[in-house]
Amino acid sequence: SAVISQKPSRDICQRGTSLTIQCQVDSQVTMMFWYRQQPGQSLTLIATANQGSEATYESGFVIDKFPISRPNLTFSTLTVSNMSPEDSSIYLCSVGQGETQYFGPGTRLLVL
Amino acid sequence: GENVGLHLPTLSVQEGDNSIINCAYSNSASDYFIWYKQESGKGPQFIIDIRSNMDKRQGQRVTVLLNKTVKHLSLQIAATQPGDSAVYFCAESSPNDYKLSFGAGTTVTVRA
Repeated sequence: SAVISQKPSRDICQRGTSLTIQCQVDSQVTMMFWYRQQPGQSLTLIATANQGSEATYESGFVIDKFPISRPNLTFSTLTVSNMSPEDSSIYLCSVGQGETQYFGPGTRLLVL
Repeated sequence: GENVGLHLPTLSVQEGDNSIINCAYSNSASDYFIWYKQESGKGPQFIIDIRSNMDKRQGQRVTVLLNKTVKHLSLQIAATQPGDSAVYFCAESSPNDYKLSFGAGTTVTVRA
């Protein structure tokens, strides 16, 4: 499976600020996804990051709050904009290989 | 995808015993299922998958069973070890849909 890295691994941010999370894969992949995992909860899909076009967002998630870039087949970014304490979560990127998805280590975000 | 849920949120098992983790799904159209293991501070790790044309699949110390009649999925871990302590998630997808829907997660604690 692909090796996936995320930066930063964790951060503490002030409300009202924005944080950009990077996801890097060691091989070209067609499908990349971004998930949110709130404390003690399961994973919720935020959006599918499409290379060369706008991301496809799930219900309850909007581009203004979670802008996503996918400039090539090995890299994507997720920005959490105008943060509030409710955005404190683990943010995970995953890559699709066939129907299977493999996950990065996650970015642990705490918003004060 | 529709809701995928787990029967029990926690499971305590004696080291060396077998563990059984259960998952119920509601989407009868789901045709692909994955079990993930998430250790503290890490991203979900792929364990094993199964397609709907199979009832059972075995890996190293793990077995996944699928009962399509009652829409039930289980993960059996043989000779549970302390390193098996983690949160386990089931996930499912439907035909021609690369998105995964995750269950709530079961926390497995191995007693020495």
